[in-house]
Amino acid sequence: DVVLTQTPVSLLISLGGQASISCRSSQSLVHSNGNTYLHWYLQKPGQSPQLLIYQVSNRFSGIPDRFSGSGSGTDFTLKISRVEPEDLGVYYCLQRTHNPPTFGGGTKLELK
Amino acid sequence: EIQLQESGPGLVKPSQSLSLTCSVTGYTITSGYDWSWIRKFPGNKMEWMGYISYSGSTNYNPSLKSRISITRDTSKNQFFLQLNSVTTEDTATYYCARSASYWGQGVMVTVSS
Repeated sequence: DVVLTQTPVSLLISLGGQASISCRSSQSLVHSNGNTYLHWYLQKPGQSPQLLIYQVSNRFSGIPDRFSGSGSGTDFTLKISRVEPEDLGVYYCLQRTHNPPTFGGGTKLELK
Repeated sequence: EIQLQESGPGLVKPSQSLSLTCSVTGYTITSGYDWSWIRKFPGNKMEWMGYISYSGSTNYNPSLKSRISITRDTSKNQFFLQLNSVTTEDTATYYCARSASYWGQGVMVTVSS
């Protein structure tokens, strides 16, 4: 199975600050069709995960432009600018290029 | 607006089967996409269990292949998870989802005697 390594495990950020989360894959996530199926989620306390970014850099419906994704191959980054209280929770990356789909271990974002 | 809702027993005894239902509103499960079961273990670890496609084909995580079955009732717009021979290690919150985009609220299942 593809292993996704997320760093850091936890992140202390001030309101209005910027957060950066890394997701590194044990193998390339470029599919044979040329697409890269690496997605980002946020699980807020007491809620189910919500899709933020799909296919590396595309914001899902209703997601503010404070969230941005980048990367290629095996290295990917989620950036959150101007952090707000509603951004707190656990962030996950997910790859669906290879079977079975696998998740990163999660990054907990907390307020400093 | 699509909504998914899991239901099923919150407590299952070891060696028994875990059965969950995902009821979908706002979208017909035969119209497109794959319909998945995903679980989150105590702590943060997430596992993709498998899916049933809009056409009815299934794809299971090899780690569960001998124990898992995902089926559907198109007349009720529901799909189901059955996990056999459960152990305490199957204690988790179980989510149903449309592809990886829309998720239900999850149901916590504890395996304990």
